[in-house]
Amino acid sequence: KNEVEQSPQNLTAQEGEFITINCSYSVGISALHWLQQHPGGGIVSLFMLSSGKKKHGRLIATINIQEKHSSLHITASHPRDSAVYICAVEKSDKLIFGTGTRLQVFP
Amino acid sequence: NAGVTQTPKFQVLKTGQSMTLQCAQDMNHEYMSWYRQDPGMGLRLIHYSVGAGITDQGEVPNGYNVSRSTTEDFPLRLLSAAPSQTSVYFCASSYLTGGNTEAFFGQGTRLTVV
Repeated sequence: KNEVEQSPQNLTAQEGEFITINCSYSVGISALHWLQQHPGGGIVSLFMLSSGKKKHGRLIATINIQEKHSSLHITASHPRDSAVYICAVEKSDKLIFGTGTRLQVFP
Repeated sequence: NAGVTQTPKFQVLKTGQSMTLQCAQDMNHEYMSWYRQDPGMGLRLIHYSVGAGITDQGEVPNGYNVSRSTTEDFPLRLLSAAPSQTSVYFCASSYLTGGNTEAFFGQGTRLTVV
């Protein structure tokens, strides 16, 4: 069993829909990262959080340490949000990655 | 401020050839790492370094070599390329402050070994 599980693996949405991507992990962590991988391949950091909730524009990330679960929400989704979203947990200064959620948003 | 610069972006090698993937960062980060990304799998750690002169193995180190002679540079060497090393490779860097620091990634290298 992977230490970091993401769901769903694939997600399609119509423009404007509210999107949720989930991440569950089974190890003790110091932080959790949400990353975005564009179709061209580059990876950028969206959020890093160790408790509570963070918001940046239309993106919201939450984490529940007790339940070992995090969610990434996208409000008012747009075709430019189409990408692979990757959850990674930080343990002993190393990152352990989920397999990613491929999101496609159609106009 | 260029961030993390990774070269080349694409490479095709013949089995048995050697090559070096370059990674440089200009943010004075202590921590640098190399990952490979394969279909259906999360990024997997190959090697990492917590500072100049210090390197260690990750999850999948076999067939790869690294060195860290300066804070800025962390090259990854493929000693004798094999088809199983066909993958997309990412270099990353961050501060090392006991965790909880943002990671910065290079643009990736798509390597094909034939």
